[in-house]
Amino acid sequence: EDQVTQSPEALRLQEGESSSLNCSYTVSGLRGLFWYRQDPGKGPEFLFTLYSAGEEKEKERLKATLTKKESFLHITAPKPEDSATYLCAVQETDSWGKLQFGAGTQVVVTP
Amino acid sequence: DGGITQSPKYLFRKEGQNVTLSCEQNLNHDAMYWYRQDPGQGLRLIYYSQIVNDFQKGDIAEGYSVSREKKESFPLTVTSAQKNPTAFYLCASGLGQYQETQYFGPGTRLLVL
Repeated sequence: EDQVTQSPEALRLQEGESSSLNCSYTVSGLRGLFWYRQDPGKGPEFLFTLYSAGEEKEKERLKATLTKKESFLHITAPKPEDSATYLCAVQETDSWGKLQFGAGTQVVVTP
Repeated sequence: DGGITQSPKYLFRKEGQNVTLSCEQNLNHDAMYWYRQDPGQGLRLIYYSQIVNDFQKGDIAEGYSVSREKKESFPLTVTSAQKNPTAFYLCASGLGQYQETQYFGPGTRLLVL
C-alpha cells in the first residue's frame, strides 16, 4: 500500500496561471514532510520541510502547507523556469532517516 | 563549495559484471544514503549509513553492496546478482539527526549493454 501519493501526475500551466499540487500520506506518526524540485537528469533540490499540521513555508512563487493527512504545494503566477518535477517525501516517527517518496508531479509552464 | 559529487554521470554494465558508483560529500554530514529512481516511481532506498563503518539495508538492498570506510565517501556496488540494474542512482547525505533534511547529488545513470 502506497504511503505517499502525489496528484496530479502531470500539470500543464500557462505562465501566470496559479495552481496547487497535492501530496497525501498515510503514516502512523509524521516526523517531517519534505518537498523537492527535480529537473530532468538531475538530483532533487531541497525546497521545504514541514513538521506539524498548520505549518506553512514560502519561497519565491512556492508555498507549502501541511494538514494531518496531506500537504499542498501552491505555485503562484508560475514562470517557465518553474517547470520541473516536484517530489514529496515523508519521514515516519519510527524510521530513522528513512524517507518515503511519492512518484512526483511533473509541471510544465508554457509562456 | 560544499556539496555532494557522484561519478560517473553515465555508467554501462555488461552481463555478469560488477560496477561501482562513487559518492563523495564535503558537507561534514554523518549520514549518507543511496536511492534508486525508476520512471513513474518514487525514489526507493537501497542502503543507508548513519556513521562510519556502519550501514543498514533499505527497502531494495538485494543485488547491491556498500562500504563506509570514510565519513566523506559511500560507494555503491551493483553486483551481477541485480538482474534489473538500469536506473538513475542518487546519493544523499544528512546530519543524521531526527527530522533531518537530506541533500542529493547529481546522480548516476546506469545502463546495461
